[in-house]
Amino acid sequence: GAVVSQHPSWVICKSGTSVKIECRSLDFQATTMFWYRQFPKQSLMLMATSNEGSKATYEQGVEKDKFLINHASLTLSTLTVTSAHPEDSSFYICSARGGSSGSSYNEQFFGPGTRLTVL
Amino acid sequence: AQSVAQPEDQVNVAEGNPLTVKCTYSVSGNPYLFWYVQYPNRGLQFLLKYITGDNLVKGSYGFEAEFNKSQTSFHLKKPSALVSDSALYFCAVRGYNNAGNMLTFGGGTRLMVKP
Repeated sequence: GAVVSQHPSWVICKSGTSVKIECRSLDFQATTMFWYRQFPKQSLMLMATSNEGSKATYEQGVEKDKFLINHASLTLSTLTVTSAHPEDSSFYICSARGGSSGSSYNEQFFGPGTRLTVL
Repeated sequence: AQSVAQPEDQVNVAEGNPLTVKCTYSVSGNPYLFWYVQYPNRGLQFLLKYITGDNLVKGSYGFEAEFNKSQTSFHLKKPSALVSDSALYFCAVRGYNNAGNMLTFGGGTRLMVKP
């Protein structure tokens, strides 16, 4: 089946630093990738949708200058949390949607998540 | 806009008993519905989906879900619960935003299966 990986799986950083999270579709091409944020015991909240080669579409209330998203290739999207603060601590999950024909076409597959802790 | 409601924050069931996790949805057009499971500190794992066809959908790990159009529901069920089924379950519906189709999730239901 389609596999999505995230790196790192967890990260601890100091307040004010920037953190980059990678999301890769390992065995399919993903024209669209999604970034979600999940607080403890809560649901996934969509932060932004990125299409390969174009700017990400951010959901209302998400600061695009703070959460930089790059989707430079059909298998890689990155989320950079700039000048992180403790309130940015959360579980970040990416999802990739298959964009070509085949079993992964138009289906969303989820990465294992990245736990960010900002001290 | 589409929405999903999971009315129960937590469902408790004894091992071996049947379980039901409830989900209702609102979406324009034909619904594409999904169930995912999440274990602690892990991403979402796909369980099953309804696109069209038979209202009873069978999925992974013995789970099934029944689509009921008149009640706009898509409840997750399993005839005999296992302790290892204890996890967080999310119902989702496919909808659309400016970037194309995307999933909207319910608030999640924590399933606790006790020995």
